[in-house]
Amino acid sequence: EAQVTQNPRYLITVTGKKLTVTCSQNMNHEYMSWYRQDPGLGLRQIYYSMNVEVTDKGDVPEGYKVSRKEKRNFPLILESPSPNQTSLYFCASSLGRALGYEQYFGPGTRLTVT
Amino acid sequence: SQQGEEDPQALSIQEGENATMNCSYKTSINNLQWYRQNSGRGLVHLILIRSNEREKHSGRLRVTLDTSKKSSSLLITASRAADTASYFCATTQGGSEKLVFGKGTKLTVNP
Repeated sequence: EAQVTQNPRYLITVTGKKLTVTCSQNMNHEYMSWYRQDPGLGLRQIYYSMNVEVTDKGDVPEGYKVSRKEKRNFPLILESPSPNQTSLYFCASSLGRALGYEQYFGPGTRLTVT
Repeated sequence: SQQGEEDPQALSIQEGENATMNCSYKTSINNLQWYRQNSGRGLVHLILIRSNEREKHSGRLRVTLDTSKKSSSLLITASRAADTASYFCATTQGGSEKLVFGKGTKLTVNP
């Protein structure tokens, strides 16, 4: 089944403890991206990647890192999480450029930083 | 930066009625997409309309795009309780690869 998977689905952590949220897609998609969703603010893009080893900042990249060493994986790294990063995170992928292709979303990761 | 803004923020209708949601954006776009999200779950793509298209249909969905007014509308005809969800528009600007979402319209369809 074609899908985007994220792990973990739920995570409660403490301020400053490094964490990684994994994202994987099995559709051979080139474009992958991360979003955070907060009440009243909608979805905001954190980082996106056009292809392996090509990443770029979205609208809210501060406090986050990403890497794209393999086409199928696009992990989101929080080196030193803070409470303002408590949010619902979504990974998405698409066949090609964001300009012309639908995005396939993962199920989401609900992160709480205390 | 918020590109698309949906209107209304919330909409409550009866089953069988039509639901219309609007999206306005600020700068020129390449395409505009509509997504649906059931509470707390991942977004699902509904329809993509390109800047040179004016109208597109998919089942009970009808999307229009007016680039002169920088706006799009999503019409759901003969709504069902299962259409209850939040609906988002998303755009890309100029040559950017960034996909920018609006804040969404929360639709409630009462049985």
